[in-house]
Amino acid sequence: NAGVTQTPKFQVLKTGQSMTLQCAQDMNHNSMYWYRQDPGMGLRLIYYSASEGTTDKGEVPNGYNVSRLNKREFSLRLESAAPSQTSVYFCASSESGNHYEQYFGPGTRLTVT
Amino acid sequence: GNSVTQMEGPVTLSEEAFLTINCTYTATGYPSLFWYVQYPGEGLQLLLKATKADDKGSNKGFEATYRKETTSFHLEKGSVQVSDSAVYFCALTYNNNDMRFGAGTRLTVKP
Repeated sequence: NAGVTQTPKFQVLKTGQSMTLQCAQDMNHNSMYWYRQDPGMGLRLIYYSASEGTTDKGEVPNGYNVSRLNKREFSLRLESAAPSQTSVYFCASSESGNHYEQYFGPGTRLTVT
Repeated sequence: GNSVTQMEGPVTLSEEAFLTINCTYTATGYPSLFWYVQYPGEGLQLLLKATKADDKGSNKGFEATYRKETTSFHLEKGSVQVSDSAVYFCALTYNNNDMRFGAGTRLTVKP
């Protein structure tokens, strides 16, 4: 099992450009998440999807959109990148329920200039 | 709202030293508590968890006890190794759609 995979690993964008971060999991999990990690701030939830066909906002959704393409895939889109979106982005998945751990991908390091 | 506060780092220890990383939480009810570890260049991995008061989570020599009376979930290890150098995150959740992470504590273990 590959677990959670993310592409790309690194990306540099200019202000105003758009891009989509891809995430896929092969563990048959219902729930998937997108986080951003900034120095000194831990991880903050951007969006999540509790099941195929549903998405909801997390703590910091502004400037982002998501698509739950199917049970395996959950993409994050930046329509018009801003320097404040420079961060490391992590995708995660889990079974449903609060006792279950989340499994994380390796991350995408995004720099917006 | 629900939140986690963990001790600021960085923490630098010599090999075989005793480790404590403090974590306290603010929440109503009975959240589940987690410690995650992040090695350089990687995503977070679950280290241990506890789902109810007085539970002790343990893994790879690390332990943490869910203390509701002090709202704490401190991480301990009796003898750290160089390979334990990483960033450690405390987290809580009521449901998996709202997991709150602490800011992380960077641990460096020197030979």
